Amino acid sequence: KQEVTQIPAALSVPEGENLVLNCSFTDSAIYNLQWFRQDPGKGLTSLLLIQSSQREQTSGRLNASLDKSSGRSTLYIAASQPGDSATYLCAGNSGGSNYKLTFGKGTLLTVNP
Amino acid sequence: ETGVTQSPTHLIKTRGQQVTLRCSSQSGHNTVSWYQQALGQGPQFIFQYYREEENGRGNFPPRFSGLQFPNYSSELNVNALELDDSALYLCASSRWTATGEQYFGPGTRLTVT
Repeated sequence: KQEVTQIPAALSVPEGENLVLNCSFTDSAIYNLQWFRQDPGKGLTSLLLIQSSQREQTSGRLNASLDKSSGRSTLYIAASQPGDSATYLCAGNSGGSNYKLTFGKGTLLTVNP
Repeated sequence: ETGVTQSPTHLIKTRGQQVTLRCSSQSGHNTVSWYQQALGQGPQFIFQYYREEENGRGNFPPRFSGLQFPNYSSELNVNALELDDSALYLCASSRWTATGEQYFGPGTRLTVT
């Protein structure tokens, strides 16, 4: 059974700081891993998807890495901005590419001006 | 924004009633998954539909049921509502492909009183 844990639960940083969000999972047979952003009361916005054959993905100021052997993924946000404030969720599936996603509880990020 | 839409946006029901939530998948997507997100938690997988058939189910009782239509839109039905069913219900669509990247709608906020 896949379990996903995110640390820290909450993070507050000043604007401009680089930061790292952590995600760990128990089943190393993960097929892919997605990082999402969720604004309060809203749906999920997909940020990055890393397939099992990949080690990292980049989009703008975001970089996500995947280390299946250690059961870890990280989301790196460069030069943080107040607009980055949101909850960040990671989710993985281990039953095939189109199988259910197992989510962590998320990291609530606050970027202070 | 994704092309996934959900209706209604908000809903208030009384314990014991029945509710139907609707989801229209993104153009070109043939798979729909439903998730329940309680306050402060990550989304939990309810079930997935592919080609109008249920293709996997999470740890939810039979009073949670669904349908997928020929145009790939979907419904989630919940009977005998309980207070603990109060949550944000999220629909995600995807193409049945190697990546299986899931795209989420804005969600339906259900409150059971």
